[in-house]
Amino acid sequence: DTAVSQTPKYLVTQMGNDKSIKCEQNLGHDTMYWYKQDSKKFLKIMFSYNNKELIINETVPNRFSPKSPDKAHLNLHINSLELGDSAVYFCASSPGAGGYEQYFGPGTRLTVT
Amino acid sequence: GIQVEQSPPDLILQEGANSTLRCNFSDSVNNLQWFHQNPWGQLINLFYIPSGTKQNGRLSATTVATERYSLLYISSSQTTDSGVYFCAVVPLGAGGTSYGKLTFGQGTILTVHP
Repeated sequence: DTAVSQTPKYLVTQMGNDKSIKCEQNLGHDTMYWYKQDSKKFLKIMFSYNNKELIINETVPNRFSPKSPDKAHLNLHINSLELGDSAVYFCASSPGAGGYEQYFGPGTRLTVT
Repeated sequence: GIQVEQSPPDLILQEGANSTLRCNFSDSVNNLQWFHQNPWGQLINLFYIPSGTKQNGRLSATTVATERYSLLYISSSQTTDSGVYFCAVVPLGAGGTSYGKLTFGQGTILTVHP
C-alpha cells in the first residue's frame, strides 16, 4: 500500500537524452512536489502543483518541465540531459499548499553518463 | 530566504547511547519536520512538529517556535538509527500564507556502532 510511489527507481542515461520520471500518490492529497538531492545530500525544492496548478517554480533550467495530468500524478520531464543533472529526485505530497506535513516517495536516482 | 542550520554535522555513538540533534531556523515557520534518511536513501517521516513536544518510542522532539529551534532526542540508540537526520521547515509567508516550500538543513550524519 505505497502512499507515494515513483518510477523508475534508477535511471541511467547518456548526455543529451530526454527522460521522464513519474510520481503517483494515493493519499487523496491536493498538492505535490519535486525535490532534488545533490551529491552532497542537500535537498532543494524544484516545483509544486496544487490541484494541477503550478504554484512553486524555483530557479530550475527550463529543460525541466513538470506536468500534472490530475491531482494524484506529477511527472517530471527532463530534456537534453547534462552530467550535472545526476542526482536523486524525490516526489512528495501534502493535503494542501501551506504548512501541512509532506510525505515523500522513495526517490529516483538519475545518473547521466 | 529562511536559513536552517543543524548541529552537530556528524555524530558517532556506541549502541545504547543517547543523543540530541539541534535545528535552528531564522524566521517564523508553520511547518517543521524531522526526517531520517536511511542508508538505502529512503526519507522517513519522524515528526511533524511546528511547535510543542511529541514522542514516538525511543525518539522524541521539541520545537520552541518563539525561540526558533527544534531538538530531536534519540535514546538507547541502535545500529538501525544510523543515517542522515534532516530538519526541514516551511516559512510563514507574508500575510500568513505559504506554499509548502520545505527548506532543508544540511543534515546530521549519525553513525551508531555495535
